[in-house]
Amino acid sequence: KAGVTQTPRYLIKTRGQQVTLSCSPISGHRSVSWYQQTPGQGLQFLFEYFSETQRNKGNFPGRFSGRQFSNSRSEMNVSTLELGDSALYLCASSRVGGVQNEQFFGPGTRLTVL
Amino acid sequence: GENVEQHPSTLSVQEGDSAVIKCTYSDSASNYFPWYKQELGKRPQLIIDIRSNVGEKKDQRIAVTLNKTAKHFSLHITETQPEDSAVYFCAALYNNNDMRFGAGTRLTVKP
Repeated sequence: KAGVTQTPRYLIKTRGQQVTLSCSPISGHRSVSWYQQTPGQGLQFLFEYFSETQRNKGNFPGRFSGRQFSNSRSEMNVSTLELGDSALYLCASSRVGGVQNEQFFGPGTRLTVL
Repeated sequence: GENVEQHPSTLSVQEGDSAVIKCTYSDSASNYFPWYKQELGKRPQLIIDIRSNVGEKKDQRIAVTLNKTAKHFSLHITETQPEDSAVYFCAALYNNNDMRFGAGTRLTVKP
């Protein structure tokens, strides 16, 4: 069974631009969560989608948004990029999306904002 | 927001010794506590988890203990090996699938 995949793996953008990242969960997994990982802040929860609906949201500004498609693939969008948005963006999928389900992480997209 | 505190931030042990990492959480409703290992340049991988109806769980050299009253849980690695060197993250599940992570512990096992 294929694991969680993310595209692109690396991305370089400039301030003010916007970016869209993609995550394909493991087949059969309906929940996708997004995290931002930086050396200073660790792993921070962005949001979680289940059945095309955002169920949980972390403490990030509205510039960070996402969506989920009927095939459970998810995209994350960041508008008006800032230097501080440079980070590794990880998505994780889980089977049911309810409580107590193991999350499997993708390899991440490393975003650099210049 | 809900917080997960993890310490120490760095830990260095001699090969063969034990390593202990501790986490505390704030929401008493949390009932799932996974631990992830992240090697340099790789994705986090689940190594062990514990649910709130269990006080301790073991898997070979790794064990996790949970004290729900005190709202803390710990990872124990015995007979450490150099390949155990990595960053370890604890997490607690809030509100369905809102997973909050600790800041990580960089474990170095010296041969």
